[in-house]
Amino acid sequence: SQTIHQWPATLVQPVGSPLSLECTVEGTSNPNLYWYRQAAGRGLQLLFYSVGIGQISSEVPQNLSASRPQDRQFILSSKKLLLSDSGFYLCAWSVSSGEHYEQYFGPGTRLTVT
Amino acid sequence: AQSVTQPDIHITVSEGASLELRCNYSYGATPYLFWYVQSPGQGLQLLLKYFSGDTLVQGIKGFEAEFKRSQSSFNLRKPSVHWSDAAEYFCAVAPANRDDKIIFGKGTRLHILP
Repeated sequence: SQTIHQWPATLVQPVGSPLSLECTVEGTSNPNLYWYRQAAGRGLQLLFYSVGIGQISSEVPQNLSASRPQDRQFILSSKKLLLSDSGFYLCAWSVSSGEHYEQYFGPGTRLTVT
Repeated sequence: AQSVTQPDIHITVSEGASLELRCNYSYGATPYLFWYVQSPGQGLQLLLKYFSGDTLVQGIKGFEAEFKRSQSSFNLRKPSVHWSDAAEYFCAVAPANRDDKIIFGKGTRLHILP
């Protein structure tokens, strides 16, 4: 069966510091991968999605970036964090073809920028 | 533009009572529809999905949802809620032709009274 991992689970970082959040998926090949941010009371905001290695689409202009160095690995980064980057970050995957493309979510990373 | 509306931000019901969470969508064609649940501090879990066929869909944890094309609705129901159902619920919609991404509603937080 497929599983999705995210780490770290929680992170407290000072303003201006770098960020690296990692997401890996097991049990499937060539998944579509997604990064979402969830701020309190604001629902899910799609940040990036990827349909293959090295292929990244950005949904919202910001100081974050994403990379997909391997088929089942998706990384969210920042060179300098802002206070507004605080939130709950969720990684998700879906199959890349066929009828069933519901998304499956990881456990999330709680980021607090101080 | 495509959109998903969950008109209730918070809902409170007594344990053992029935539940209905509302979801309305605006889409150009019949979409794929989903309901997700999120417990505090965790990722989203898929409850059920509608792709085609029978408009009454059964999901996990005793939930069901009914697709009503004429009302552009996909309401989630449960005949008797349990305290463990307290969580946030998200409705989501996606195009059947994969030309666009899943759009999530802003969520409804369910509170259960003992």
